[in-house]
Amino acid sequence: DQQVKQNSPSLSVQEGRISILNCDYTNSMFDYFLWYKKYPAEGPTFLISISSIKDKNEDGRFTVFLNKSAKHLSLHIVPSQPGDSAVYFCAALRAAGNKLTFGGGTRVLVKP
Amino acid sequence: NAGVMQNPRHLVRRRGQEARLRCSPMKGHSHVYWYRQLPEEGLKFMVYLQKENIIDESGMPKERFSAEFPKEGPSILRIQQVVRGDSAAYFCASSPSQGEAETQYFGPGTRLLVL
Repeated sequence: DQQVKQNSPSLSVQEGRISILNCDYTNSMFDYFLWYKKYPAEGPTFLISISSIKDKNEDGRFTVFLNKSAKHLSLHIVPSQPGDSAVYFCAALRAAGNKLTFGGGTRVLVKP
Repeated sequence: NAGVMQNPRHLVRRRGQEARLRCSPMKGHSHVYWYRQLPEEGLKFMVYLQKENIIDESGMPKERFSAEFPKEGPSILRIQQVVRGDSAAYFCASSPSQGEAETQYFGPGTRLLVL
């Protein structure tokens, strides 16, 4: 029962172009969503988050969009840089909850 | 300001042995979470602890796995009689209090290999 899904296991993009990562969820009780970045042999690092009362949150080159009716969120990285090459995880949290539910991850490769 | 520390970083065990994974939370953090990542999968929640209390262990396998967070010292995830399917990366996260999840800071993980 995978409540958070990232259907694209990998993504390759040219440096300077936009990276778009997608995430779908099934549990309508989730009300907070996060994106984490993970390099090999390291732990996940928090990137950006969004509350269900918003549909967009922006932080520098990173923007997260939330479509509650479609139970879909996306992460846009623009412009993409080689240092962005990593695995990106979408995660969700229930109201007043503490355990994160993660998607399977998308491996991003930014080509110089 | 040290982050979340986990040791060992790599652990090799033979089937039937015990594995002990340690997590020292960030200074001032009293909440610890353990997650497991199987190969090519996302992280899955295992257990949430405060000092001397298990708050939520809904993700822990029913047998062989246990966790503690004593008043003094690190949190310990213990796996008894390991099997090959226990091979995974185990991540610990800590937060200062029960609050927004972005306050969960992750450690570098312990990679367990069961031969």
